Amino acid sequence: AQSVTQLGSHVSVSEGALVLLRCNYSSSVPPYLFWYVQYPNQGLQLLLKYTTGATLVKGINGFEAEFKKSETSFHLTKPSAHMSDAAEYFCAVSDWNDYKLSFGAGTTVTVRA
Amino acid sequence: EAGVTQFPSHSVIEKGQTVTLRCDPISGHDNLYWYRRVMGKEIKFLLHFVKESKQDESGMPNNRFLAERTGGTYSTLKVQPAELEDSGVYFCASSQGSRRGSGGYTFGSGTRLTVV
Repeated sequence: AQSVTQLGSHVSVSEGALVLLRCNYSSSVPPYLFWYVQYPNQGLQLLLKYTTGATLVKGINGFEAEFKKSETSFHLTKPSAHMSDAAEYFCAVSDWNDYKLSFGAGTTVTVRA
Repeated sequence: EAGVTQFPSHSVIEKGQTVTLRCDPISGHDNLYWYRRVMGKEIKFLLHFVKESKQDESGMPNNRFLAERTGGTYSTLKVQPAELEDSGVYFCASSQGSRRGSGGYTFGSGTRLTVV
């Protein structure tokens, strides 16, 4: 089974500052990679995903993530944080031949005015 | 299109009682999944339906949990009898594609279950 590690359970950033959320996975074969966001009182929403092709993936709301095979990482970034980015973010992976998603523990982002 | 609908959104029950959670997937989605997040832990896979058949139930914690999917449409997850450690948020998701691993799930808002 895949293992996903998200570094930092809480991240606090100032409005306008860079958002960087780290995700590492354990797999000898590149899996499919996802970032989900959960806003308060809402469900999980797909931010972006990597399946094949370009390693820099752009998602919704100005987020992007880069797949680095050599580092087994899939870090999420946004150049300039907005108050509306306050939420919990989850990194998830699945094997190419499996439906199941394995999630990281989640990172809660707070944005300071 | 309507999204994945789960209800109730919250449920508080006493230990030993029975609770049934319901999930209505997006119309036409053959794949339906249940996940659970226990407080402070990762979101964990419970099971996967393809239409009305259980494709994978390897994540079901024990036989107190019973999932059904009537006619390949909505699904229910029954916990009987509920224990304190069953408290958490139960998510349902659905997807249309048959290609494994490609994601593309749509998640519901979850049911927050509290067992007291």
